[in-house]
Amino acid sequence: TQLLEQSPQFLSIQEGENLTVYCNSSSVFSSLQWYRQEPGEGPVLLVTVVTGGEVKKLKRLTFQFGDARKDSSLHITAAQPGDTGLYLCAGGLSTNAGKSTFGDGTTLTVKP
Amino acid sequence: NAGVMQNPRHLVRRRGQEARLRCSPMKGHSHVYWYRQLPEEGLKFMVYLQKENIIDESGMPKERFSAEFPKEGPSILRIQQVVRGDSAAYFCASSGRGGDTDTQYFGPGTRLTVL
Repeated sequence: TQLLEQSPQFLSIQEGENLTVYCNSSSVFSSLQWYRQEPGEGPVLLVTVVTGGEVKKLKRLTFQFGDARKDSSLHITAAQPGDTGLYLCAGGLSTNAGKSTFGDGTTLTVKP
Repeated sequence: NAGVMQNPRHLVRRRGQEARLRCSPMKGHSHVYWYRQLPEEGLKFMVYLQKENIIDESGMPKERFSAEFPKEGPSILRIQQVVRGDSAAYFCASSGRGGDTDTQYFGPGTRLTVL
């Protein structure tokens, strides 16, 4: 059983389109991170959210943490080819202090 | 601006050999985590260590795998008698405080290929 479910698994869009990817769980997380990973590289941290209902913006990326801290979304406005990559969400549980649980990721391809 | 360092970046071993993967955490970080990733999948937790202590090894296979983080030097993930199924990317992450609200920063990974 996957603790963090990410959807969609694959997403292919044209440059300039908007998109949203989701990270859902039945568990309450103390914190949640979004990472972006390119082929052959390690995950690079995009954002950490810790407060229910929190919204953070990073240029064209908007991250939201659900009120109940069980889910999160990542919205990209006017996607660019440079946004292509694997987007991973990871959560910290108070019962598993120190161990992050990862979703299987959303593979995003933005075509020029 | 030294981030998490891992070496080697690529490692090729024949079945039955030993693989040693090294990880130097970010400066000032004393918490180290190892993850394994198969193609087009997320990261699977293996082990969490602090200096000279294994905190959580619930994701480590019971046999052939071991990890250490000595007082001096890098953390080592050791795989004995490798098999083809061990082929994967192995990532190390570090954090400053540990705990469920602390952010982990990742290294570039070691890609292990078992022939």
